[in-house]
Amino acid sequence: KNQVEQSPQSLIILEGKNCTLQCNYTVSPFSNLRWYKQDTGRGPVSLTIMTFSENTKSNGRYTATLDADTKQSSLHITASQLSDSASYICVVRLNTGGFKTIFGAGTRLFVKA
Amino acid sequence: EPEVTQTPSHQVTQMGQEVILRCVPISNHLYFYWYRQILGQKVEFLVSFYNNEISEKSEIFDDQFSVERPDGSNFTLKIRSTKLEDSAMYFCASSDASGNTIYFGEGSWLTVV
Repeated sequence: KNQVEQSPQSLIILEGKNCTLQCNYTVSPFSNLRWYKQDTGRGPVSLTIMTFSENTKSNGRYTATLDADTKQSSLHITASQLSDSASYICVVRLNTGGFKTIFGAGTRLFVKA
Repeated sequence: EPEVTQTPSHQVTQMGQEVILRCVPISNHLYFYWYRQILGQKVEFLVSFYNNEISEKSEIFDDQFSVERPDGSNFTLKIRSTKLEDSAMYFCASSDASGNTIYFGEGSWLTVV
């Protein structure tokens, strides 16, 4: 069964600290993996996209990794800011014609001053 | 920056009534999507749409759901006879032909009473 599992479920960190969020997936056929940020009651916003051949990709303070062999991805946030408080969702797209996607449940990040 | 717009932002409807949710995708995008997020749960893929037909749909997208692109700009989701369990946030999204980055709208909150 196609699944995307994220950990931790929630995380509280102090402003300025770093954190790493985890994503494990069992999705086939795999096309790509994306990390999204979702503020409460808002639509998800794309942070990074990783294809099968990519190991690391950065976007500002966000760095995503992908290990296609172990089917694991991580999102590292550097020097956290209060505005980073949100849900971070791992999304895997299937390599089918219609771009079907499987969403993880997200990690709820709280950044405290 | 171009964005996906959705209307209405909130709708309350009685069980059994028909509902139409509307979306204006980003103008040069070719793929359109609907997703659902029940309160407190993960985002779920409903359907993708390309070249005026459904590309892929999930098990959730049963006969009570339909999508349409009635003109060159709008993309709609119709729920024929709403049930209490249809209460959720419905996100419209669009992407270019690669589907690599999917842009989400701000969502339409549907409450079925």
